[in-house]
Amino acid sequence: GESVGLHLPTLSVQEGDNSIINCAYSNSASDYFIWYKQESGKGPQFIIDIRSNMDKRQGQRVTVLLNKTVKHLSLQIAATQPGDSAVYFCAENSDYKLSFGAGTTVTVRA
Amino acid sequence: DGGITQSPKYLFRKEGQNVTLSCEQNLNHDAMYWYRQDPGQGLRLIYYSQIVNDFQKGDIAEGYSVSREKKESFPLTVTSAQKNPTAFYLCASSIGLSTEAFFGQGTRLTVV
Repeated sequence: GESVGLHLPTLSVQEGDNSIINCAYSNSASDYFIWYKQESGKGPQFIIDIRSNMDKRQGQRVTVLLNKTVKHLSLQIAATQPGDSAVYFCAENSDYKLSFGAGTTVTVRA
Repeated sequence: DGGITQSPKYLFRKEGQNVTLSCEQNLNHDAMYWYRQDPGQGLRLIYYSQIVNDFQKGDIAEGYSVSREKKESFPLTVTSAQKNPTAFYLCASSIGLSTEAFFGQGTRLTVV
C-alpha cells in the first residue's frame, strides 16, 4: 500500500487566507520530502523540499514543516491566491524512490 | 531551454496493441522515472533508471517495459499484457535518485 498520504482530499480556502495542507508518512527511514503542485492535465511542479535533518524550510509564500516524531509533513501557503488552486502532493524518498500520496485538491474562493 | 519532453500529449490505441511513449530530457540528469496516474489518485512508480543501460522495476511494472540506451531518453512501452492501460503517464528526471524530480507534461493514453 501507499506509505504517504494526505489527511484531507479537498480543501476550500478564502482568497487571502493562509492554507495548511497535511501529509502523514509511514516510513521512518525516509530522508527527503517534496511538495508538488499539479494543475489539471499537467505534470507536477516542484514547490519546496526538506531533508530529514531539518524541521522547517521556507520559500516564497510557502513553508514546509516536518515532524519526524509523528511522521507528519505540512505545507503552509500564505495569502492564498486563485492561482494556487490545484492538487497538492507530498512525496517521500525512501529506497531511492519517490512515493506519492493521493493528493489534496485546493480550491480558492474569491 | 532545458526540460523534459513527453510525446505525444494524447494517444489512442486499440486493445491488444503495444504502444511506446516517448520521454526525452536535456537536463543532463542521470535518473529517470515513469509514473502512472489514475483519476483522483496519486502517482505510482512503474520503472526507474539510475544510469544508462540500467533500470529497475517500480511498484506496478507488470505489463510495461522500458529501455535506457541513451542518457537523455527513457521510452516506456505499454504492452498488451497490461490489463488496464488507460491512464495519464508521467515521466520525470533528477540529478540523482534522492533529489528533486522534474516532470514532463504527461501523455494521456486511451485504449479502446
